[in-house]
Amino acid sequence: AQSVTQLDSQVPVFEEAPVELRCNYSSSVSVYLFWYVQYPNQGLQLLLKYLSGSTLVKGINGFEAEFNKSQTSFHLRKPSVHISDTAEYFCAVVSRAGGTSYGKLTFGQGTILTVHP
Amino acid sequence: DTGVSQNPRHKITKRGQNVTFRCDPISEHNRLYWYRQTLGQGPEFLTYFQNEAQLEKSRLLSDRFSAERPKGSFSTLEIQRTEQGDSAMYLCASSPGQLADTQYFGPGTRLTVL
Repeated sequence: AQSVTQLDSQVPVFEEAPVELRCNYSSSVSVYLFWYVQYPNQGLQLLLKYLSGSTLVKGINGFEAEFNKSQTSFHLRKPSVHISDTAEYFCAVVSRAGGTSYGKLTFGQGTILTVHP
Repeated sequence: DTGVSQNPRHKITKRGQNVTFRCDPISEHNRLYWYRQTLGQGPEFLTYFQNEAQLEKSRLLSDRFSAERPKGSFSTLEIQRTEQGDSAMYLCASSPGQLADTQYFGPGTRLTVL
């Protein structure tokens, strides 16, 4: 079984400031890692995912995340945020083992990012 | 690619009534997933289909819940004898079929049980 913990439920930040949204996971098997964003009244949209290779993953809208296997973390970062980045962000994992839970996403509780002018 | 669509977007019902939600996945996506999201929480897995076969059901899916995907196309999620605890956003997602494939989510159906 897997679990995901997003360490901050809310992150307020001023426009053009850098931001980091923290995510830690626990799993008895290797996982794939994802970050999704949910804008108000919209469906979840993939920001980026880590499958293998370089531990630094670049996604859409200038976001990036770094996979740290020893710390079981997958923190999301952006060097300069915009008002339009205001949304809820979810970290999620999928077991690489497949089986009956093939592709099942396990999500964290979400982090609400609010960008102030 | 028209994306994943869900209908209705909102449903208000009285306790004890039955409700049915529909999800239309991206065409040619083999896998279809249902999740439930309550306020302040991340989505939780309910069930998923590989084509028309339902392969796993979460413990969250009580006997009052049933899902189908006839002919491997659209899917329906029915809740019988609704309870106030069923109030949530019900999300549908589809993916092409590989383990690491991105799941594409619909906008969700918000259910309110009075």
